[in-house]
Amino acid sequence: DAGVIQSPRHEVTEMGQEVTLRCKPISGHDYLFWYRQTMMRGLELLIYFNNNVPIDDSGMPEDRFSAKMPNASFSTLKIQPSEPRDSAVYFCASRGLAENTGELFFGEGSRLTVL
Amino acid sequence: GIQVEQSPPDLILQEGANSTLRCNFSDSVNNLQWFHQNPWGQLINLFYIPSGTKQNGRLSATTVATERYSLLYISSSQTTDSGVYFCADNDYKLSFGAGTTVTVRA
Repeated sequence: DAGVIQSPRHEVTEMGQEVTLRCKPISGHDYLFWYRQTMMRGLELLIYFNNNVPIDDSGMPEDRFSAKMPNASFSTLKIQPSEPRDSAVYFCASRGLAENTGELFFGEGSRLTVL
Repeated sequence: GIQVEQSPPDLILQEGANSTLRCNFSDSVNNLQWFHQNPWGQLINLFYIPSGTKQNGRLSATTVATERYSLLYISSSQTTDSGVYFCADNDYKLSFGAGTTVTVRA
């Protein structure tokens, strides 16, 4: 398997623009997580899905952030409108609890810079 | 959620030295993992170790779940070991520690 695939790897945009980050989890994994990493706050869980259903979105900062998982192989994290304080590295991760291992695998991250 | 405390926060090593990183948890852990975040920002899985001891080359890890801690051993450190080491309890909702920043000097 190619692992968790995220795109874009880097995104530079201007304040007010819409940003869409994409993630393809490892095939067969039941759980998908979106994290954000900044120097100030470290790694924060934003939202996670189980079998394509959002389970906990309490970490989503505000209404400008939304996430969807239309099918088992694709998820998006959208920020609209973007602000400079959204600049961070956004990680997607997946896990296959059904495999009885519980091991979590991360994508390489999407580095977002909002000017 | 579960609280994760890592120590030491920073570690500077001379190449070839050995070291031990520690992770303490506020509650029992079920799915403990160790990650290495390299200088390029990638989060690399080191160990999935809910309990017991595992070894992978120069790295090994031990988790004592009943006592709520885990240890990561780095032996004969190399400059490529530099980066941030995170432990996390991966029980439906990953709880990360703040990390240990390791710098290995040549």
